Amino acid sequence: GAGVSQSPSNKVTEKGKDVELRCDPISGHTALYWYRQSLGQGLEFLIYFQGNSAPDKSGLPSDRFSAERTGGSVSTLTIQRTQQEDSAVYLCASSLSQGASYEQYFGPGTRLTVT
Amino acid sequence: GQNIDQPTEMTATEGAIVQINCTYQTSGFNGLFWYQQHAGEAPTFLSYNVLDGLEEKGRFSSFLSRSKGYSYLLLKELQMKDSASYLCAVVTGGFKTIFGAGTRLFVKA
Repeated sequence: GAGVSQSPSNKVTEKGKDVELRCDPISGHTALYWYRQSLGQGLEFLIYFQGNSAPDKSGLPSDRFSAERTGGSVSTLTIQRTQQEDSAVYLCASSLSQGASYEQYFGPGTRLTVT
Repeated sequence: GQNIDQPTEMTATEGAIVQINCTYQTSGFNGLFWYQQHAGEAPTFLSYNVLDGLEEKGRFSSFLSRSKGYSYLLLKELQMKDSASYLCAVVTGGFKTIFGAGTRLFVKA
């Protein structure tokens, strides 16, 4: 079946512009996660959605970052007034449920470059 | 705070055995994952431990000691394709997953 998809795969933007990154999770997966990975680094948690519960936004680095998940499926991560330090690969993952034992399936990521 | 430590890099020889360690200090614990990530690709699931002990899955095994805040991933009969980063990830009390920085494994002939 279809895996997690993300778009665009690459995005180059000028400093100060807003960007939107999209994630389509696996059908039926109720949990959705956003991570950021800088070159050669581990994954930095950004935000987590589980069903209709309020999202866990504790990882968002500043108020320039926001995310929403419409209809419990597709999610959009928005970065306003981008800065050069926002350059990274943004990974989305989904899992069957909130339960801790459920592995996360990752999308291919969006490589964001802020010039 | 939350902290997960792994060695930055390891090198091993094809056919050998390698052990990648992970120590963690987190607010609550609901399980530990190991993921494999090849360069330029997304992480993929390797193993999950929530109880103490060893979980074996083919050439890969993972061990957990909750009292020591310690896990390791054991790779046997190393192959060149095992060259990748290995990420240790802990599910905290609030079901947030915290990842370590990863261990880059180089397998040489």
